[in-house]
Amino acid sequence: DQQVKQNSPSLSVQEGRISILNCDYTNSMFDYFLWYKKYPAEGPTFLISISSIKDKNEDGRFTVFLNKSAKHLSLHIVPSQPGDSAVYFCADVGGGSQGNLIFGKGTKLSVKP
Amino acid sequence: NAGVTQTPKFQVLKTGQSMTLQCAQDMNHNSMYWYRQDPGMGLRLIYYSASEGTTDKGEVPNGYNVSRLNKREFSLRLESAAPSQTSVYFCASRWTLNTEAFFGQGTRLTVV
Repeated sequence: DQQVKQNSPSLSVQEGRISILNCDYTNSMFDYFLWYKKYPAEGPTFLISISSIKDKNEDGRFTVFLNKSAKHLSLHIVPSQPGDSAVYFCADVGGGSQGNLIFGKGTKLSVKP
Repeated sequence: NAGVTQTPKFQVLKTGQSMTLQCAQDMNHNSMYWYRQDPGMGLRLIYYSASEGTTDKGEVPNGYNVSRLNKREFSLRLESAAPSQTSVYFCASRWTLNTEAFFGQGTRLTVV
């Protein structure tokens, strides 16, 4: 059973507009989540986190929201820039029965100039 | 500060050949991980080592073995490579369970 779900394989937005990437989860040990960004031919890089003691965390243009009752989180990018074009992965820091770092399948964001 | 270093970056194997992917981290992290990335499948956990001296299976361990050589190094071995193991492999490390992980640049493996 997929523990971290990103149901949108791709998203296309216009430069300057908002990008919203979504993630649903089950069976989280810590309710602590990470977003990673991945460019082609590179390793994933950590972007922003959210823990259960907060429902929102901001870092510049990036904001992550957590709705624990709905087991849902979202990443907002405002304003979107062409350099944001990448694959974004949602990850549960303590997923599964052993508290592993479990990833969703990713959402490919394309920001058009 | 190199972070997580993987070698090699690229490799082509014939079916049935063996090889070891190397990973080393210089951040004094306790936990290390091996993932594979395939199109449409995201990052799937192969094996992990929660601390030096321990290793455990992840989601897709079949066909692989691992060794946690010391706190810095965690290797992944393919004993008899199969075309289904064609993938991009990533090593990652993190300090402890509830922290973010840092990734290497990846190894692109093709099995023909």
